[in-house]
Amino acid sequence: EVQLLESGGGLVQPGGSLRLSCAASGFTFSSYAMSWVRQAPGKGLEWVSAISGSGGSTYYADSVKGRFTISRDNSKNTLYLQMNSLRAEDTAVYYCVKVPAAMFFYYYMDVWGKGTTVTVSS
Amino acid sequence: DIVMTQSPDSLAVSLGERATINCKSSQSVLYSSNNKNYLAWYQQKPGQPPKLLIYWASTRESGVPDRFSGSGSGTDFTLTISSLQAEDVAVYYCQQYYSTPVFGPGTKVDIK
Repeated sequence: EVQLLESGGGLVQPGGSLRLSCAASGFTFSSYAMSWVRQAPGKGLEWVSAISGSGGSTYYADSVKGRFTISRDNSKNTLYLQMNSLRAEDTAVYYCVKVPAAMFFYYYMDVWGKGTTVTVSS
Repeated sequence: DIVMTQSPDSLAVSLGERATINCKSSQSVLYSSNNKNYLAWYQQKPGQPPKLLIYWASTRESGVPDRFSGSGSGTDFTLTISSLQAEDVAVYYCQQYYSTPVFGPGTKVDIK
């Protein structure tokens, strides 16, 4: 069974940093692109970032470009999101999501983790 | 960026009746070289992550009940629940993946 388990969320002050992790199991991790999607409290879904299966290509939403860094360790079947210079508007549930192809673009997202909550507040 | 809109914002349907959700993109998401519409539908139940229902506008994901169907092409799409069940209460999102992914604002479905 394909499983994605996020961790690393929590309360952080504005301007602070946080690193999210996503442990993947049940599939050949390196064969698939992965993505992060977030959902602010009571709001809709916003794509944040994505990375190809090899890790060689990365993509970011304009809202996080220059502040967030996506990476993966295929030997550990783990996806990461390093979040720096956090703002109140980054407060959200962050979902780790699998893409059914090695490259990110032009594909939907087929498996979602349960999410981890990030709260940016003083 | 492509802008996605959905209508209605919410709807209440009697058990066993049909529910119809519309999704519109600001530009076509039909890729002419393969004649595929880059449009997906997701279901999000309260307190749960989204779940993929439909991709390529009309292909049902494995395990999704056949009362869910997707249709449309170009810029106008529809998700239909042919006979609403209690477990279908959720928010439904469309999403285009023709370019940088963008989700619609969601449509909340309740029981009347």
